[in-house]
Amino acid sequence: GAVVSQHPSWVICKSGTSVKIECRSLDFQATTMFWYRQFPKQSLMLMATSNEGSKATYEQGVEKDKFLINHASLTLSTLTVTSAHPEDSSFYICSARGGITNYGYTFGSGTRLTVV
Amino acid sequence: AQKITQTQPGMFVQEKEAVTLDCTYDTSDQSYGLFWYKQPSSGEMIFLIYQGSYDEQNATEGRYSLNFQKARKSANLVISASQLGDSAMYFCAMREGMSNNNDMRFGAGTRLTVKP
Repeated sequence: GAVVSQHPSWVICKSGTSVKIECRSLDFQATTMFWYRQFPKQSLMLMATSNEGSKATYEQGVEKDKFLINHASLTLSTLTVTSAHPEDSSFYICSARGGITNYGYTFGSGTRLTVV
Repeated sequence: AQKITQTQPGMFVQEKEAVTLDCTYDTSDQSYGLFWYKQPSSGEMIFLIYQGSYDEQNATEGRYSLNFQKARKSANLVISASQLGDSAMYFCAMREGMSNNNDMRFGAGTRLTVKP
């Protein structure tokens, strides 16, 4: 079946540093990648949509200069949280479109980011 | 405007009993898809069941069934014979349209607790 590998699964970083999260589709080509953020006890909120080779489309209220998304290939998309602050601490999860299972949406396992 | 509404923040069910988790949605699209996911404390999103807007039969997947009432725009999840391992967050989600770029939006979720 379709698998998306997301790394790291958890990360602790200091305030002001940048953190990169990777989502890699292992056995299919991810034409589109969706990035979500989930605060504790809340729902998944879409941050941005990225297509291979083009600029990401960000949801209203999401700072594109802070959350850099790169979708350079059909199997790899990255989210970089730049100059992270404690309020960026959250669960980040990607969802890849293009696999043949689960009606075309395959989620990564998520990354728990803690900024101290 | 909220497109997916889950009105039950928390639900309790006795082991081996059935439980219904409510979901209503709002869309003007004729073509859309409805999903249910289970999210245990680990954070992974586990696909449970899918209902397409043109599907005439209610979807079923093992112990999961979806009570799809199109005119009322509801897509309730029914879990039969609840097990302790069913305790988790459950999210209803919708994809509008059929394009690969179409993202998935989530409801607020329902925390299900199965009591022994």
